[in-house]
Amino acid sequence: EIVLTQSPGTLPLSPGERATLFCRASQSVSSSYLAWYQQKPGQAPRLLIYGASSRATGIPDRFSGSGSGTDFTLTISRLEPEDFAVYFCQQYGSSPYTFGQGTKLEIK
Amino acid sequence: EVQLLESGGGLVQPGGSLRLSCAASGFTFSSYAMSWVRQALGKGLEWVSSISASGTSTYYADSVKGRFTISRDKSKNTVYLQMNSLRAEDTAVYYCAKLTAWYGDTGTYFDYWGQGTLLTVSS
Repeated sequence: EIVLTQSPGTLPLSPGERATLFCRASQSVSSSYLAWYQQKPGQAPRLLIYGASSRATGIPDRFSGSGSGTDFTLTISRLEPEDFAVYFCQQYGSSPYTFGQGTKLEIK
Repeated sequence: EVQLLESGGGLVQPGGSLRLSCAASGFTFSSYAMSWVRQALGKGLEWVSSISASGTSTYYADSVKGRFTISRDKSKNTVYLQMNSLRAEDTAVYYCAKLTAWYGDTGTYFDYWGQGTLLTVSS
């Protein structure tokens, strides 16, 4: 199975700053079938990005995804207070679906 | 508005059984594959099982294969997860998630999630 490794584990930043989160796959993710989800405490995950770079419906344009092959990035251009949460990447190009362990974006 | 409402979680002894339900609304249920994804407290996400829109194809993680069974009832717009031979390591919040296509295999991702139901396996 494809193992996804996210870095950093924790990212302390301030509102207004730029956040860059990384997701590395143990083998190439076919067709850039990679998604990003946001999860806040006590809530279900919310889809942000699919196909490595396509924003889901209703997601602000400060969120962007990039990458291909084994290396993917989620960028939040200017952090809003509501963006502090845990972010997971997930590959859906190979069975079984797998998730990264998450990056916690916290307020510095 | 898409809504997924899970129910059926609770406390079960090791070796026991439980059935989770997920009632769906706000979309054409019979057109989309559905999945269960779990999350141990404070941990990451683990895909558990998927079922195609027609219900004819099912998929399982190795960790639950042979113990869990996914099914769906189009008359009730509900997907189920029958869990048998439960173990302590099955303890988690179980989320129901909608896939973006009729097939439940690779190439489709989770666009909507329910709020989850907690399963605790303990004596």
